[in-house]
Parts: sequence; structure tokens; C-alpha cells
Amino acid sequence: DGGITQSPKYLFRKEGQNVTLSCEQNLNHDAMYWYRQDPGQGLRLIYYSQIVNDFQKGDIAEGYSVSREKKESFPLTVTSAQKNPTAFYLCASSIQGTDTQYFGPGTRLTVL
Amino acid sequence: GESVGLHLPTLSVQEGDNSIINCAYSNSASDYFIWYKQESGKGPQFIIDIRSNMDKRQGQRVTVLLNKTVKHLSLQIAATQPGDSAVYFCAEGGRGSTLGRLYFGRGTQLTVWP
Repeated sequence: DGGITQSPKYLFRKEGQNVTLSCEQNLNHDAMYWYRQDPGQGLRLIYYSQIVNDFQKGDIAEGYSVSREKKESFPLTVTSAQKNPTAFYLCASSIQGTDTQYFGPGTRLTVL
Repeated sequence: GESVGLHLPTLSVQEGDNSIINCAYSNSASDYFIWYKQESGKGPQFIIDIRSNMDKRQGQRVTVLLNKTVKHLSLQIAATQPGDSAVYFCAEGGRGSTLGRLYFGRGTQLTVWP
């Protein structure tokens, strides 16, 4: 998992509640990413940030929000507007300008 | 949008045999390709990558082959072991203004039988 931590490993949420997933890296990477993975599917990009205080929407940003106040941290908030939030969420980071992304262990979110 | 796909969703091999996992990509402008291994319930783990100026790259027990003419990528695993059982993803990237973004395929489930 190479210096990227995600917490918690499992998260349960009631419908209508917002929840924030943590992602921290100590690799001194500039870029960070959030992906969503559904069973039997590939990874879909939610948001990414190439530098502190800047981020861009990925392919499925609706119902999610992020912040990048510190280089080492990129928290993801799953809002009540996300219609189908149950999924495995993966955070990754990379050296800005390169393409190799390194992933954290993931957070499995279940909406009850 | 762009797509990175795999020819076979599942692959079963005998322990000790060689495995070949295939991947087709659609964007001829992609110049970076990467393979990940994902074990159940874990995050993807980097295996090997290759740039478009190369046709072949070798790592420990793994080889990636790139055929730009037919936009095909393959991962070869030598002497496959039970610990190699996992889902393998290919991804493409390195395209201009989306530098840093990777586009993933659905993955191939590799099962190694003893």
C-alpha cells in the first residue's frame, strides 16, 4: 500500500447522511485521486487533484465533494445526493507529471 | 469516452504454467500503459508499466508486450503461482491535457489451480 492510508476500512451510513472518507499519503506526491469500484467493474474516477488547493471533476463527480488543503490529505465526502453510494472507494497518488499511480487499501462504504 | 477493455474476463491456469492476460485499448494517442494486480478486498498493486516508445518490458516473472499497430497490450506471468490469483487491470494514460489520468479496463480474474 506504499505510504497511502485510507480510513476507515469499513463504513456504514444511513440514507440521507453525508460521510467523509479519509486519504493520507506520506510519499510527497503532488497528485491525488479518488476512484469508485463496483463489483466486477473497473475503476471510475470521481475527483483528482494535481496540486494543493486545486482539484478537477472526474467522470462520476455528481454527489461527491473533495478538498485539498494539504499536500498529504485528500478527503472525499459522499453526500446524500449520491443516489447509489454503496461501493469500494480507492484513493491513489502520483508524482505530478508522471503517470504511475499508487493506491491505498480502500474503504468499503455500505448504505443501510 | 475512452475505453480500455480485456479480451477475457476470467482465466484459469495450472500452477507452474505461464499466464497471458490480454488488453485492448482504443486511443492511439495513449503513450503510457500500466498493469495492476488487485487481490480481493485490497487496493490495486502496481506490477509493471511501459511507454509507447517500447515494445517489451520485463520485470520479475512478468513481461508486458505492447503492439501499437493493433492497439494491444499483454501481461505474461511466468511459472504462475497460487499467490498470483487476483484480478488484473490494465490502464492507459499520458494523453496531453489529461496528463496523470489513467483509464482502466474491467479486469481479468486469474485463478491458479494447484
